[in-house]
Amino acid sequence: DQQVKQNSPSLSVQEGRISILNCDYTNSMFDYFLWYKKYPAEGPTFLISISSIKDKNEDGRFTVFLNKSAKHLSLHIVPSQPGDSAVYFCAHNAGNMLTFGGGTRLMVKP
Amino acid sequence: DTEVTQTPKHLVMGMTNKKSLKCEQHMGHRAMYWYKQKAKKPPELMFVYSYEKLSINESVPSRFSPECPNSSLLNLHLHALQPEDSALYLCASNGPGTYEQYFGPGTRLTVT
Repeated sequence: DQQVKQNSPSLSVQEGRISILNCDYTNSMFDYFLWYKKYPAEGPTFLISISSIKDKNEDGRFTVFLNKSAKHLSLHIVPSQPGDSAVYFCAHNAGNMLTFGGGTRLMVKP
Repeated sequence: DTEVTQTPKHLVMGMTNKKSLKCEQHMGHRAMYWYKQKAKKPPELMFVYSYEKLSINESVPSRFSPECPNSSLLNLHLHALQPEDSALYLCASNGPGTYEQYFGPGTRLTVT
């Protein structure tokens, strides 16, 4: 079984600076990790994914880095904007079943 | 278009009521999902439908009954719920060979 952990429940960043959100996993065997952003009372919105054969994937202001030896991935948001304030979930996809981490609440201050 | 729609947006029901949640997508996705999210917790998978057939039931109590009438629609029938079933119920879908699931806005359910 894959366990996904986001050890920082919250993160506060100044507008324009970099936001780094972290995620750890337990099982070396995986296909894909995905990052979702969620506003209150809305469904999660897909941001970016990374496969096990890559160590980096970039899409605009969002970059995900994968460190397989450390079983760790991180989402970088540069530059951070106030509209990025939300809860961010890391999720593992195995056989179309998503297992989510506990989430990190990002607050971007103007 | 990556839209998944859910109705109703809010639902309040008594423990003896029968109600249904509806989910619809027109992206041609053949996998659809129900998730449950409690406050300050991550979404938890309940059911998976693949090509209109139930493929995964994550040990969900029988008071929750899913139904997939066709490839675009997914229902969740509710009966004799408990107050602890109050949560945000999310529907999602994804296409064959893709890993990202697209979520609807959710139905906020309150059981009184």
